[in-house]
Amino acid sequence: GDSVTQMEGPVTLSEEAFLTINCTYTATGYPSLFWYVQYPGEGLQLLLKATKADDKGSNKGFEATYRKETTSFHLEKGSVQVSDSAVYFCAPTGGGNKLTFGTGTQLKVEL
Amino acid sequence: DGGITQSPKYLFRKEGQNVTLSCEQNLNHDAMYWYRQDPGQGLRLIYYSQIVNDFQKGDIAEGYSVSREKKESFPLTVTSAQKNPTAFYLCASSVQREARFGGELFFGEGSRLTVL
Repeated sequence: GDSVTQMEGPVTLSEEAFLTINCTYTATGYPSLFWYVQYPGEGLQLLLKATKADDKGSNKGFEATYRKETTSFHLEKGSVQVSDSAVYFCAPTGGGNKLTFGTGTQLKVEL
Repeated sequence: DGGITQSPKYLFRKEGQNVTLSCEQNLNHDAMYWYRQDPGQGLRLIYYSQIVNDFQKGDIAEGYSVSREKKESFPLTVTSAQKNPTAFYLCASSVQREARFGGELFFGEGSRLTVL
């Protein structure tokens, strides 16, 4: 079946540090790939997406590139802020109608 | 503003009681979903509906029931058959009927159910 592997958290960084959150997946067919973010006490919201190989999704300084050869979609940001503290979910589309979510990676950014 | 509204935000239930969580959307989306979120387990799909009067079981449907009588509404009932119902429940919707076409999911703010 479809699956997602995300790096375990929490990830604790100082403000302005570089962020990488790794995500690898297995999926049937040719999935679209998503990163969602969940701020404390809220639902999830889409951060960025990529729908075909070598596409780069970007938003709010975050980027991720669809790597079909390595089945990866790692999330990066050059300089994190305290306001980026949240839980980040990688989610490839599975077969049919289901998104498969990773377990989430908690990011804590400190001053 | 358009969006998804879940209620109640917090709910307490005694063992053996059924409880219904509300989910309403005014985005005119065809598809709606219910997810359960537990610490360290990500999101797991309970039920989804691609069109009115039709719904499908997700990965963990046992002990839950849904209905889709209106496009805007997709209530979830947590029955007494659900062995471990304490969790955070998230409702979502999407324009496309099938997630594989790259459609974004829009989430509500969630309902936290605690069984006493």
